Amino acid sequence: DGGITQSPKYLFRKEGQNVTLSCEQNLNHDAMYWYRQDPGQGLRLIYYSQIVNDFQKGDIAEGYSVSREKKESFPLTVTSAQKNPTAFYLCASSTGQGTGELFFGEGSRLTVL
Amino acid sequence: GNSVTQMEGPVTLSEEAFLTINCTYTATGYPSLFWYVQYPGEGLQLLLKATKADDKGSNKGFEATYRKETTSFHLEKGSVQVSDSAVYFCALTRQGNLIFGKGTKLSVKP
Repeated sequence: DGGITQSPKYLFRKEGQNVTLSCEQNLNHDAMYWYRQDPGQGLRLIYYSQIVNDFQKGDIAEGYSVSREKKESFPLTVTSAQKNPTAFYLCASSTGQGTGELFFGEGSRLTVL
Repeated sequence: GNSVTQMEGPVTLSEEAFLTINCTYTATGYPSLFWYVQYPGEGLQLLLKATKADDKGSNKGFEATYRKETTSFHLEKGSVQVSDSAVYFCALTRQGNLIFGKGTKLSVKP
């Protein structure tokens, strides 16, 4: 079955540690996205990538980094510079930027202790 | 810039009640409009969309009409079920990306 796989589903980290969230898709989609979801805030765009080896900052990129070395993969690193990293992180993909039709993974919940 | 405002929840209804979730938008140009749904513990799924004024999107008994004159895209369903309990997000396109509203939680009681 085609889809998007995020891992881990739950992650705990200590303050000052970097953590990397995995996102893999087998939909052959060109565009991939990372969103952050906080209670009462909706979804906010962190980074997006339209093509391999290229990515752009979204609205809240500070304290995060990404890479897009393969079409299927778009990992997100939450660095120690992110001041409030505890959140639910959602990865998505689409056939191309601008369609608005995103396919989402099930999310990763990060808790900083 | 483009933005979306949704009615705040939570919304609690009895089974078979009529549902309306309000969504208004601010945009330059003519964005496409979307409703996404998030069931507990899951990611979001596209529920319906409309790409131009007066278009009506529909799916699974839900409907929404793109109203340019009132800049609205309200979600409606004539008879909700317990299985419709979820968080609903209105969204629009901005420079090729999606901008989401804050979400409205719907709880349907048997």
